[in-house]
Parts: sequence; C-alpha cells; structure tokens
Amino acid sequence: DIQMTQSPSTLSASVGDRVTITCRASQSISSWLAWYQQKPGKAPKLLIYKASSLESGVPSRFSGSGSGTEFTLSISSLQPDDFATYYCQQYNSYPLTFGGGTKVEIK
Amino acid sequence: QLHLVESGGGVVQSGKSLRLSCAASGFTFSDYTIHWVRQAPGKGLEWVAVISFDGNNKLYADSVKGRFTISRDNSKNTLSLQMNSLRPEDTAAYYCARTATLHQNYFDPWGHGTLVTVSS
Repeated sequence: DIQMTQSPSTLSASVGDRVTITCRASQSISSWLAWYQQKPGKAPKLLIYKASSLESGVPSRFSGSGSGTEFTLSISSLQPDDFATYYCQQYNSYPLTFGGGTKVEIK
Repeated sequence: QLHLVESGGGVVQSGKSLRLSCAASGFTFSDYTIHWVRQAPGKGLEWVAVISFDGNNKLYADSVKGRFTISRDNSKNTLSLQMNSLRPEDTAAYYCARTATLHQNYFDPWGHGTLVTVSS
C-alpha cells in the first residue's frame, strides 16, 4: 500500500498569510494526486487534481505542485473561508489512500 | 446538479449487519465508477470499496474485505453497501463518492454522509 504523509498536522495562520502544506508518498505516484478541503460536519470538497490542476470554481489562490513523491498545496492569501482541514489523496493504485490531514487554524 | 444522498446509517450492536444506500441524480449513473469512503469521528478519511460502472469489478480495503459487499442497481441509480459482522472500529461517517472523471479515481461529488455507530 502507498502511505501518504502530510505535514504539518496543524497549522496556525492569519488572514492574508501564505500557507503551504506538504504531502509525501511512500513511493512514486507520478502526478496522480488530489487535494480536498473539509469543514466540520461536511463532506470533503475537491480542490486540486493531477497534482496541479485547479478544479472548476475553486479560487485561484489555491495551487498545487509536485510529482513523484513530494507534493504541496499552497494558499496564496488565506481567507476566512479557508480555515478547514485539508487532505491529499493518491489515485495511482489501489488501495486508494489519504494523508492524515492538515488542520488550518486561526492564529 | 450532481447529487449523491446516503441513507441507512444508525446505531447497531457489534456483530450485527447494516445496509447503506446511496441515491444518485444529475448525471448518467451507469457511466461512472463509485466508491465508499469513511471517516471515524475526529479522524481522517479511509477508502472502503469501489464498484465499476457496470458492477462487474469490485475492490475492498483489507479492513472490510470479507465483511462488506458493494453493489449497484443502474436501473434505479442506487449504490449499496452491505455491512456484516460489524465491529466498533467500523464506527464512522460513510460517504459515497463518484469518480470525478470516467477513468481517474479522485472524487467529485461526495454525498453528505451517513453515520454508523457500532456499540460493543
């Protein structure tokens, strides 16, 4: 199974900050990586697919990069609506696996 | 508008069974692979099972293999998850999720989830 490791697990930031979340795969997954945002009590929402492709309707302040085993999700200027938990997911092979999540909190 | 709506969750004793359903609308259900993903309270996301567009191919996480069965009825646009021999560690919100494209296994949309609580 491919293990996905996210860091940090918690991130404290202020509105307007640039934040970066890292996701590492235990083996190469090419660019088969997605990022999701989840708010309490809600289903996850797709943000990024194929490592760097922005899902339609997602604000351009979100961006993804990386390939192989190292990936990042960046938010260029954190907005109040962005305080949430973020998950990466590899879809290179089964079983599909998720990172442990990064909670972005208000500083 | 794409919609997935889960139902069937509830409180059940350890060792018992439960059947979840997922009703789809707003897209051609029979074209898409569909997954179940779960989330234990306060924990991360765990992929559970997948069924191909025609129902002929199914895969399961090791944690549920032999106990859970995924199925679909394309004539009724519904997905099911039969959960047998339930354990307390199966307690979670269960989401059905469609593959976002026909051939790539990332998820969009997701249902709102249905909560399963297994008591010991």
